[in-house]
Amino acid sequence: DIQMTQSPSSLSASVGDRVTITCRASQSISRSLNWYQQRPGKAPKLLIYAASSLQSEVPSRFSGSASGTDFTLVISSLQPEDFATYYCLQGYSTPYTFGQGTKLEIK
Amino acid sequence: EVQLVESGGGLVQPGRSLRLACTASGFTLGAYSLSWFRQAPGKGLEWVGLIRGKAYGGTTEYAASVKGRFTVSRDDSISVASLQMNSLKLEDTAVYYCARHRLSAGMRFFDCWGQGALVTVSS
Repeated sequence: DIQMTQSPSSLSASVGDRVTITCRASQSISRSLNWYQQRPGKAPKLLIYAASSLQSEVPSRFSGSASGTDFTLVISSLQPEDFATYYCLQGYSTPYTFGQGTKLEIK
Repeated sequence: EVQLVESGGGLVQPGRSLRLACTASGFTLGAYSLSWFRQAPGKGLEWVGLIRGKAYGGTTEYAASVKGRFTVSRDDSISVASLQMNSLKLEDTAVYYCARHRLSAGMRFFDCWGQGALVTVSS
């Protein structure tokens, strides 16, 4: 199975801050890496697919990048509605696996 | 509007069975593969299983934790996919989500998710 190591597990930040979340795959997954936002009691929402493609209607302050087996989600200027939990998910091969999640909290 | 809606969740005793349904609207379910995911209370997300679209043979795959107990099926004529859960265990307690597969240049992602169905396994 492909292991996804996500960091940090939690993060405190302020509105307007730039935030970076990373995921590392245990083996090559090409660019089959997706980023999701989950608010409490809600389903995951797709933000980024194929490592760097912005899902329709997702604000441009969200961006993704890849370097080998390392993947990064950047939120360029945090807004109040961005405080949530973020997960990476590899869609390269089954079993599809998630990172452990990053809980983004207001400082 | 593209939408998936899960139903059938509830409280069930250990060892019993439960069947979840995932009803699609706003798109042709038969053209897509579908996965089930789950999230135990306060925990992260876990992939459970998938069923491929008709074009890919309608084959299924499962996570090791549910293989032999859970079965994914689909009836494209009524736009419904199902998750049959047998021999339920306490650790199967979770919110279950269905999600649509998409491909972009060969990269797989899951763009549309249902709202989730809570399954509680307890005596």
